[in-house]
Amino acid sequence: QKEVEQNSGPLSVPEGAIASLNCTYSDRVSQSFFWYRQYSGKSPELIMSIYSNGDKEDGRFTAQLNKASQYVSLLIRDSQPSDSATYLCARGGLTGGGNKLTFGTGTQLKVEL
Amino acid sequence: DAGVTQSPTHLIKTRGQHVTLRCSPISGHKSVSWYQQVLGQGPQFIFQYYEKEERGRGNFPDRFSARQFPNYSSELNVNALLLGDSALYLCASSVTSTLRDTEAFFGQGTRLTVV
Repeated sequence: QKEVEQNSGPLSVPEGAIASLNCTYSDRVSQSFFWYRQYSGKSPELIMSIYSNGDKEDGRFTAQLNKASQYVSLLIRDSQPSDSATYLCARGGLTGGGNKLTFGTGTQLKVEL
Repeated sequence: DAGVTQSPTHLIKTRGQHVTLRCSPISGHKSVSWYQQVLGQGPQFIFQYYEKEERGRGNFPDRFSARQFPNYSSELNVNALLLGDSALYLCASSVTSTLRDTEAFFGQGTRLTVV
């Protein structure tokens, strides 16, 4: 079982719709979770961090964390063509120290006109 | 404010050669980490340095080494390059060594091609 799992997609949504990206992780110890956006040929860009169960909203983005189910998701409201990218889910280092991120393989999102 | 800067942006090397990649973190950030990303995969952790000390090492061979300087910049060195080392090498900086309540920001990466 991979430590962080994502559906590779592509996930296609129409412009203006809500895009829902999902991620599961294998351990019950992880405390910190991150969503990064990566455009083709570019480096990952941090979108959201979440540390506690529940929802965290930032503009059009909402991250959701459920530690009991070992599940984290990212919702993108009013999706725009510029949101088309690969979204990487990552969990923080298990030890609580050290800047180790473990990434999933990413979900490709396509927002269609 | 300047973000994380990496150099060079692109590099072509021959098998067996050595390469040095450089990274300058965001001003005020003391932690630098290195990641390797091959096409179609998420970044894989290589090293983390904080206050010039190694704080973490991923599952990479000893051909990979790194160091951090007093100004918190960092170098990643790879010896005896293999074709499989071709990848995007990413540097990330953060304020502290822990990920609880802090966030890591990536540079633009160095695209290494080994021929």
